[in-house]
Amino acid sequence: DGGITQSPKYLFRKEGQNVTLSCEQNLNHDAMYWYRQDPGQGLRLIYYSQIVNDFQKGDIAEGYSVSREKKESFPLTVTSAQKNPTAFYLCASSGDRRGVPGELFFGEGSRLTVL
Amino acid sequence: AQRVTQPEKLLSVFKGAPVELKCNYSYSGSPELFWYVQYSRQRLQLLLRHISRESIKGFTADLNKGETSFHLKKPFAQEEDSAMYYCALTGSGNTGKLIFGQGTTLQVKP
Repeated sequence: DGGITQSPKYLFRKEGQNVTLSCEQNLNHDAMYWYRQDPGQGLRLIYYSQIVNDFQKGDIAEGYSVSREKKESFPLTVTSAQKNPTAFYLCASSGDRRGVPGELFFGEGSRLTVL
Repeated sequence: AQRVTQPEKLLSVFKGAPVELKCNYSYSGSPELFWYVQYSRQRLQLLLRHISRESIKGFTADLNKGETSFHLKKPFAQEEDSAMYYCALTGSGNTGKLIFGQGTTLQVKP
């Protein structure tokens, strides 16, 4: 079954701890993205990567870090520096030549709660 | 600055009534506009894009550059249209990085 897999679905973290959210895709897409979804604020871009070993900051990158060592994987680390990390995180990918330009394929999301 | 604004958090209509979800944008170049939809317990997915000029599930959206709007319309709402709708834009040539609006929840009552 092709698509994007995010894990874990739910995660609890104590203040001061780093946590890593996993995102894997088997769509052979070049580009991958991390968005944060908050009620009333829509989706805001955290980081994106258009090719392996390269990534750029989005609009709200502070307190987050990413890596893109493999085409299939784009993990997001929420560090202790992120002041308000409790949120729903969405990973997406795009770029298959057969696909529709601008069409992002989304995972099911990971809900992070800081206790 | 690039921005997408959806002024309504919630739009509630009766089945069979017309629907218009509003979207306004701010962009200095030539944007590409999209509507994404998230049904209950499903993933966020593309509904339609302005370049295609298509009608999906009875929905249409016309890009009005003069009013910088991309409103989503459907003449007769169905209960299965109930969902969260997001308007999004990207600059031409950079079709991956999307800027999303705040989202509008459409509730279609029987």
